[in-house]
Amino acid sequence: GQNIDQPTEMTATEGAIVQINCTYQTSGFNGLFWYQQHAGEAPTFLSYNVLDGLEEKGRFSSFLSRSKGYSYLLLKELQMKDSASYLCAGGYNKLIFGAGTRLAVHP
Amino acid sequence: DTGVSQNPRHKITKRGQNVTFRCDPISEHNRLYWYRQTLGQGPEFLTYFQNEAQLEKSRLLSDRFSAERPKGSFSTLEIQRTEQGDSAMYLCASSLVTSGDYEQYFGPGTRLTVT
Repeated sequence: GQNIDQPTEMTATEGAIVQINCTYQTSGFNGLFWYQQHAGEAPTFLSYNVLDGLEEKGRFSSFLSRSKGYSYLLLKELQMKDSASYLCAGGYNKLIFGAGTRLAVHP
Repeated sequence: DTGVSQNPRHKITKRGQNVTFRCDPISEHNRLYWYRQTLGQGPEFLTYFQNEAQLEKSRLLSDRFSAERPKGSFSTLEIQRTEQGDSAMYLCASSLVTSGDYEQYFGPGTRLTVT
């Protein structure tokens, strides 16, 4: 079967660092994606990990361990505009999404 | 190119009516996907096309749902005899499948409300 788990909600303070975890049990995943989705808007691509390890892209980094079925998204120097849902997804052709983690950034 | 577009952005319909949504992908993209998203959940895969061929349909997609991509460009998703449970955001995404490139670009969605 295919299952993706991530925390439902997180809160953090502006300027801080937050790590959003994602665990998955599935077969046939070619890699792990992270998408950001602001309320009422479409998901936008943040990162894609196909190999184990850390991928850094500006304030956002993503990590993947395929043997452990584990990924995380690291957001540094948090800004108010980072308040959004963060979706973990895996797949080869179609994407299987987790339910998303709603992040609230407070001043 | 301005990205993936979807029309209409909002649709309110009465139970039992048929509705049709349109998606225009990014012009050079050969794959087009349809997802459905309800409040507080991630998008759920419905179906996808490579060019004009429909390659996979989710078991979630009942016989009331049909999708087409007749010329390998835009796509339509039709829901017949709508039910209240069909109320959701319908998202379209497209991608260009080349070696190592699997990113899907999402459109703004069509929000369907069935009354």
